[in-house]
Amino acid sequence: ELKVEQNPLFLSMQEGKNYTIYCNYSTTSDRLYWYRQDPGKSLESLFVLLSNGAVKQEGRLMASLDTKARLSTLHITAAVHDLSATYFCAVDPTYSGGGADGLTFGKGTHLIIQP
Amino acid sequence: EAGVVQSPRYKIIEKKQPVAFWCNPISGHNTLYWYLQNLGQGPELLIRYENEEAVDDSQLPKDRFSAERLKGVDSTLKIQPAELGDSAVYLCASSFSDGTGELFFGEGSRLTVL
Repeated sequence: ELKVEQNPLFLSMQEGKNYTIYCNYSTTSDRLYWYRQDPGKSLESLFVLLSNGAVKQEGRLMASLDTKARLSTLHITAAVHDLSATYFCAVDPTYSGGGADGLTFGKGTHLIIQP
Repeated sequence: EAGVVQSPRYKIIEKKQPVAFWCNPISGHNTLYWYLQNLGQGPELLIRYENEEAVDDSQLPKDRFSAERLKGVDSTLKIQPAELGDSAVYLCASSFSDGTGELFFGEGSRLTVL
């Protein structure tokens, strides 16, 4: 059974600081996704990482994937209050070159950025 | 382009009552998913459709849950009878079967069972 573990699960940080969220998974996969969820809202896709060494950046967020270590990171640079949300990583456990079989999600990292 | 549309957004029922949720995926997306999200948790897959075929329903509690996608477009998820523990958000998502595997989610249907 695929397990996806995020840490930390809760993070309170100050504006202007840098921090990294980690996502470990238990089975071979080279497809990993990051989503953002605001309270009471649905999940918004942030990054799609499709190969070992993939790195994607959008504004103050940067995601990377190391498939050999089964590890993805989401790095926040100079955090601002608007980035407060819950961040989920998700893994496609059975990718075989076709469509997605359904993602397995971590429990999420609840991020609070204080002014 | 319209996103994934779900209804109702909120539903409050008493236990043992039936409830149904509807989802219309993004046009052209042939893969449709229903996920369950409990408070403070990540989404958990209930069922996945490729067109009108349910290709993975292993996590769907079949004694009370059922789903259909008759014409390969919109889908309905039903619970009968509902139990207190079914209170959660039911998320629908869709994707291209030949795409990157990225899922696009609807706003969700929040169920409260009293």
